[in-house]
Amino acid sequence: TQLLEQSPQFLSIQEGENLTVYCNSSSVFSSLQWYRQEPGEGPVLLVTVVTGGEVKKLKRLTFQFGDARKDSSLHITAAQPGDTGLYLCAGPLTGTASKLTFGTGTRLQVTL
Amino acid sequence: NAGVTQTPKFQVLKTGQSMTLQCAQDMNHEYMSWYRQDPGMGLRLIHYSVGAGITDQGEVPNGYNVSRSTTEDFPLRLLSAAPSQTSVYFCASSRRTGQAGELFFGEGSRLTVL
Repeated sequence: TQLLEQSPQFLSIQEGENLTVYCNSSSVFSSLQWYRQEPGEGPVLLVTVVTGGEVKKLKRLTFQFGDARKDSSLHITAAQPGDTGLYLCAGPLTGTASKLTFGTGTRLQVTL
Repeated sequence: NAGVTQTPKFQVLKTGQSMTLQCAQDMNHEYMSWYRQDPGMGLRLIHYSVGAGITDQGEVPNGYNVSRSTTEDFPLRLLSAAPSQTSVYFCASSRRTGQAGELFFGEGSRLTVL
């Protein structure tokens, strides 16, 4: 059983479209992180959100942490082919802050 | 900048064979961990270590052993490989912080067990 469920699993869109990826849990997390992974590489951290209701922006990417700290979303405005990849949310398990559990992942493909 | 280095990148084993996946980091990070990545399941934590001499189990530890004799190295051992262990394995490291720190990942090791 995965603690973090992501939706959708797959998303194929054209350049210029907007999209939102969701990360949901029945558990409360002290923080949530979003990573992006490209083929043949390890995941790379995009952002960490730590406060309920927090919104962070990274250029065309907007991240939100739910008020109850059980969910998060990633919104991409005007997607570009360079946004293609696997997006993973992650949150700390009890005990060690760096001991992360990962979501099931959303594979995004952006075409011209 | 080496970061986290994993070897080998690819390996094919027969059922019952043993092998060790190597992981080394040069960032003096206290925390290191191993994940496996399977389609549709994201990353699942196998074992982790908060410092030299200290290891603990993650979400899916069965069939794997680890040790941490130095800060830099964190090898993952498969004592008797099974087809269910076919996966891509990632090693990661992090500074030990009060909040979730950034995990730095290696490039992965793709293992096939026949």
